[in-house]
Amino acid sequence: DAMVIQNPRYQVTQFGKPVTLSCSQTLNHNVMYWYQQKSSQAPKLLFHYYDKDFNNEADTPDNFQSRRPNTSFCFLDIRSPGLGDAAMYLCATSRWGQGDYEQYFGPGTRLTVT
Amino acid sequence: GESVGLHLPTLSVQEGDNSIINCAYSNSASDYFIWYKQESGKGPQFIIDIRSNMDKRQGQRVTVLLNKTVKHLSLQIAATQPGDSAVYFCGSGGGADGLTFGKGTHLIIQP
Repeated sequence: DAMVIQNPRYQVTQFGKPVTLSCSQTLNHNVMYWYQQKSSQAPKLLFHYYDKDFNNEADTPDNFQSRRPNTSFCFLDIRSPGLGDAAMYLCATSRWGQGDYEQYFGPGTRLTVT
Repeated sequence: GESVGLHLPTLSVQEGDNSIINCAYSNSASDYFIWYKQESGKGPQFIIDIRSNMDKRQGQRVTVLLNKTVKHLSLQIAATQPGDSAVYFCGSGGGADGLTFGKGTHLIIQP
């Protein structure tokens, strides 16, 4: 049973054309994360939501935005994708506050920018 | 900021042998450490974690060792199997903040 679902799995967008990636979870976790992973590199945290509180990493470009309309869904918006934004985007969740620090990852969305 | 790194980018072992993957971290305030396995084209998969108040934790065929004195973390995989071939990331953090990952070690299992 899928617990962290990411759609689409593969996304192609044009240079400068806004794109939205989606993540949903069935775990009812209070924290949701977005990571960017480029080829042969480790995932890099972009931002996270602790409930409705948005926490942006200091080095995340302004080009990246996020929305969390409810507990289950979180979106990653890239306003003007550049070629350097081509990567795998990973969504993860955790249930902070209940002694469980493990982050549960989705399968990722691979973004191609043409 | 915190950095977490791995000593070896690639580790090749014979099937059936034990594997040891190492990781160094720099932030002594980290209180949570975790190992993930990532197969090609997939998201990271949890293997095992450890809190800073422990120095060893065992799972099924895996053991994580934490040495806080030298800020070192290792993952031991017993009797490696072909299905263990993947990239292994160590991560560290604390609280609800996201994890800081090391660069990854590619484990290759030789038949």
